[in-house]
Amino acid sequence: DTEVTQTPKHLVMGMTNKKSLKCEQHMGHRAMYWYKQKAKKPPELMFVYSYEKLSINESVPSRFSPECPNSSLLNLHLHALQPEDSALYLCASSRSKISGRVANRQIQETQYFGPGTRLLVL
Amino acid sequence: ELKVEQNPLFLSMQEGKNYTIYCNYSTTSDRLYWYRQDPGKSLESLFVLLSNGAVKQEGRLMASLDTKARLSTLHITAAVHDLSATYFCAVSGGKLIFGQGTELSVKP
Repeated sequence: DTEVTQTPKHLVMGMTNKKSLKCEQHMGHRAMYWYKQKAKKPPELMFVYSYEKLSINESVPSRFSPECPNSSLLNLHLHALQPEDSALYLCASSRSKISGRVANRQIQETQYFGPGTRLLVL
Repeated sequence: ELKVEQNPLFLSMQEGKNYTIYCNYSTTSDRLYWYRQDPGKSLESLFVLLSNGAVKQEGRLMASLDTKARLSTLHITAAVHDLSATYFCAVSGGKLIFGQGTELSVKP
């Protein structure tokens, strides 16, 4: 199984709603990621979980709240979003996120992306 | 700060002809990735290049890496319509840094 799944595929929500995006992988990957992608732009990293712990938060507004219940699941809880938050939200996973001692850099394994959730905030 | 630049950003290709996309990055990195994205779809991993001089080929696509020049190229041989998509290069630098993407369109 080399697949990352995401639900729902599409989501329309009002600015007062609370909703959650879900991501699942069964590849034994220990690093999971949330990205936001606007049309015609590259993905922008939001959060990284490594071994179920939040390791990177790219200064994302608190109306986005990530959660990693176990090594296979990653959620993104949404509350009081703004219309400009409308985008494609991509989840990705990789085998690990390891610190490279020799070069003092972090070495990333290939990230595998899910199909995304297309979010529209009205 | 690691920056990744692709060019061209748009490429209108004729079927059967050859083209090259360039990906420059600003600081030393361990790995360079190429991804493909069809409209409204997710990113598909195409290649991972690990070392200087690395070359990988899959079908009509060939990617190469020159770490000294901090340059990767994605060469398209005899373009066909199926290759129409947006192609991103990405470089690892603590996190994955993406280029702006190159939108390819193949016309008959």
